[in-house]
Amino acid sequence: DARVTQTPRHKVTEMGQEVTMRCQPILGHNTVFWYRQTMMQGLELLAYFRNRAPLDDSGMPKDRFSAEMPDATLATLKIQPSEPRDSAVYFCASVPGTGAGTDTQYFGPGTRLTVL
Amino acid sequence: GQSLEQPSEVTAVEGAIVQINCTYQTSGFYGLSWYQQHDGGAPTFLSYNALDGLEETGRFSSFLSRSDSYGYLLLQELQMKDSASYFCAVNNQGGKLIFGQGTELSVKP
Repeated sequence: DARVTQTPRHKVTEMGQEVTMRCQPILGHNTVFWYRQTMMQGLELLAYFRNRAPLDDSGMPKDRFSAEMPDATLATLKIQPSEPRDSAVYFCASVPGTGAGTDTQYFGPGTRLTVL
Repeated sequence: GQSLEQPSEVTAVEGAIVQINCTYQTSGFYGLSWYQQHDGGAPTFLSYNALDGLEETGRFSSFLSRSDSYGYLLLQELQMKDSASYFCAVNNQGGKLIFGQGTELSVKP
């Protein structure tokens, strides 16, 4: 049963600390998305990669957020320094194929981040 | 800009039928998707419409009218386990999904 995995599932940290979230996409999926979900803003696209290359990170605050895909089995999202307003659930989703617009996105269980 | 509108909450009883509407304003439209999210869980895919008309998958159906920029999700024979949030999402260029704010469905006994 292939699934997207994310670690950690929960993270509580203090303002100013660095946070790293990891995602392992389904094997063979070549497109990976990062989303943030809050009550106020809903599900927002932060960034996405295809074949490990960043395609769009316009939804991501550039000054503190960075996303990378060092290899086909790992995507990372870092926040440095973290702020209380970053508290949210961060989802990773992977997609098979070319991501032409029709592919189903498979979401991981999310990382629930709380910044105190 | 891009925007999607859907009701914030809907309540129905077990066994009933409920329709969740979604209107959208966006560019680069490839189709309309629907995702279900239970409290504390991840969004999971329900249905996708690229062309006008009705798509049926078991108790769930989804409809799209591209000319009206409108779609809906129809849930039949409601069960308690259908209580969840339902999101419409526009499939955009490059495979991106632009999500609506979600509709919280409460199914009562």
